[in-house]
Amino acid sequence: ETGVTQSPTHLIKTRGQQVTLRCSSQSGHNTVSWYQQALGQGPQFIFQYYREEENGRGNFPPRFSGLQFPNYSSELNVNALELDDSALYLCASSKGQGYTGELFFGEGSRLTVL
Amino acid sequence: GENVEQHPSTLSVQEGDSAVIKCTYSDSASNYFPWYKQELGKRPQLIIDIRSNVGEKKDQRIAVTLNKTAKHFSLHITETQPEDSAVYFCAASPGGSNYKLTFGKGTLLTVNP
Repeated sequence: ETGVTQSPTHLIKTRGQQVTLRCSSQSGHNTVSWYQQALGQGPQFIFQYYREEENGRGNFPPRFSGLQFPNYSSELNVNALELDDSALYLCASSKGQGYTGELFFGEGSRLTVL
Repeated sequence: GENVEQHPSTLSVQEGDSAVIKCTYSDSASNYFPWYKQELGKRPQLIIDIRSNVGEKKDQRIAVTLNKTAKHFSLHITETQPEDSAVYFCAASPGGSNYKLTFGKGTLLTVNP
């Protein structure tokens, strides 16, 4: 069984730039959620995708956007980067819409905005 | 929206002692309460979870209790070992079609040999 994989693992950007983070969900999972984890904080929900549709969004501005592909992999895009966007971005996959069960997290993408 | 408070932020115990971490939540609609362990530089991993129709759940040295009336839940680790050292996060979710977890800020547990 293949786990959740994310790329890149680390990246550095400057203010105003755009970034795309990628996630491959665990085999058999069709739901992907993205979380932002600032240093010393708990993960914060950005949004969730189920069968290529956004299925819920947290308190993040529209410059945070996402996609889910037919193979259930996903992208997180952040435009007009700000210093406060520096964080660990975690992707998590799970089974089915409405399934309240274990989220399987990837190792994350560490974004530094200078 | 849901708000999850977690205490303490740091906890240091001697090997073999017990550790207790407490969380409160605000949304009475929440019905799923997982606990995640995150070692330094690693992904969060589920260690135990509880649903609102259950008051207590145990898995070897780890147990979770839930008081829905008071809106609080706790993680209990007995006979702590150095490998239990990590950051522990509680979380709450209303479940349903929008599966969103609201996390607490985490507790850094250090088990001293």
